[in-house]
Amino acid sequence: QEQLVESGGDVVQPGRSLRVSCAASGFSFGAYAMHWVRQAPGKGLEWVAYISFDGRNTFVPDSMVGRFSVSRDNSKDTVYLQMTNLRHEDTAFYFCARDASGASFWYFDLWGRGTLVTVSS
Amino acid sequence: DIVMTQSPVSLSVSPGERVTLSCKTSQSASGRIAWYQQKAGQAPRLLIYAASSRATGVPARFSGSGSGTDFSLTISSLQSEDFAVYYCQHHERWPLTFGGGTRVEVK
Repeated sequence: QEQLVESGGDVVQPGRSLRVSCAASGFSFGAYAMHWVRQAPGKGLEWVAYISFDGRNTFVPDSMVGRFSVSRDNSKDTVYLQMTNLRHEDTAFYFCARDASGASFWYFDLWGRGTLVTVSS
Repeated sequence: DIVMTQSPVSLSVSPGERVTLSCKTSQSASGRIAWYQQKAGQAPRLLIYAASSRATGVPARFSGSGSGTDFSLTISSLQSEDFAVYYCQHHERWPLTFGGGTRVEVK
């Protein structure tokens, strides 16, 4: 069964850092690009990060450059999102999502259930 | 950035009715539009990609259409399990962006 399971969400103070993880199972993780998408409570979806199947290429929105970074360890079937200098507006559920292809189609055919990051003093 | 505008924000529908949801893009996305369904407390589920291709396992009552900057998702006969929020997303270039969503509620 193909599955993505996020972990690491927590309550953190503004300005602090946090790394969330996503463990994959049931498919050839190293063959797929991966993404992070977030959703503030009661709000819509916002794409946060992309990493290619081999980790060589990454993208984040301009608004998050310098604060958010993405990495992966294909030996552990895990993708990570490192968040620094967190702000109140970063409070959200963070979903990892599989790209529909290793060639990077940029839409998402498998999602995790999300992990909640709360930024609060 | 490509701005995605969905309408209506919400609608109330009776089971069995036909529903059409709209998604307009601020510039051409070359038909690279995906649609997702999200139920309360769950992750989104891919329904449609490339404007009109159904994802694996998606019932035939879901169809996508459109071109240029105007796209739509149609549910031919709404079932009880279809009450949810629907999002469109372009997959044309960075940054990837989503519409604000349309909530389909029971009338």
